[in-house]
Amino acid sequence: GAVVSQHPSRVICKSGTSVKIECRSLDFQATTMFWYRQFPKQSLMLMATSNEGSKATYEQGVEKDKFLINHASLTLSTLTVTSAHPEDSSFYICSARRGGGRILNEQFFGPGTRLTVL
Amino acid sequence: QKEVEQNSGPLSVPEGAIASLNCTYSDRGSQSFFWYRQYSGKSPELIMSIYSNGDKEDGRFTAQLNKASQYVSLLIRDSQPSDSATYLCAVSFSNSNSGYALNFGKGTSLLVTP
Repeated sequence: GAVVSQHPSRVICKSGTSVKIECRSLDFQATTMFWYRQFPKQSLMLMATSNEGSKATYEQGVEKDKFLINHASLTLSTLTVTSAHPEDSSFYICSARRGGGRILNEQFFGPGTRLTVL
Repeated sequence: QKEVEQNSGPLSVPEGAIASLNCTYSDRGSQSFFWYRQYSGKSPELIMSIYSNGDKEDGRFTAQLNKASQYVSLLIRDSQPSDSATYLCAVSFSNSNSGYALNFGKGTSLLVTP
């Protein structure tokens, strides 16, 4: 299989606090993990790419100082939403890429984290 | 801007019928194509991947790819109410930031009626 876990599944926090989300590949090693955000009735929007042992790369318009990403091992990446505000409320989903290269680019998704900032 | 286009639907088919979902993409250099299923409130689940022109079958699902027409489709045979979900088409592309990332369409909502 290709199982990706994500924790927590749901977070409700006050404005100004920081929230950390973990993404783990359980049965394969993932040198690359991706973080997406999805607003209601919208498609997935790639936020950043997390590469093991190096700095994350962020898509245009995503604040790297607000969304801190750490990929400390081949099976774990974390996303920290710093000083969260209500507009950060969204469904955050990670994915892990199994295989390498341009062809084998299958991504497997974690179950997602629903963040609500009050 | 590399685009992936899907009809948002909803596409409604009766139980037992064939559901046909379509997707077009703009990047002629794309090599890998994927179909994901997403239930409401859940994360996407990979259903099919296809890399070569032609058909690829897996159970009730068949993916079809035509690179010349920049078109990929998903057929679901013997549709079941449990197939009701949003189907996302994803196309791999070379991203200077991400290496090879996926670009997602907005998804087609499928409703299978009993």
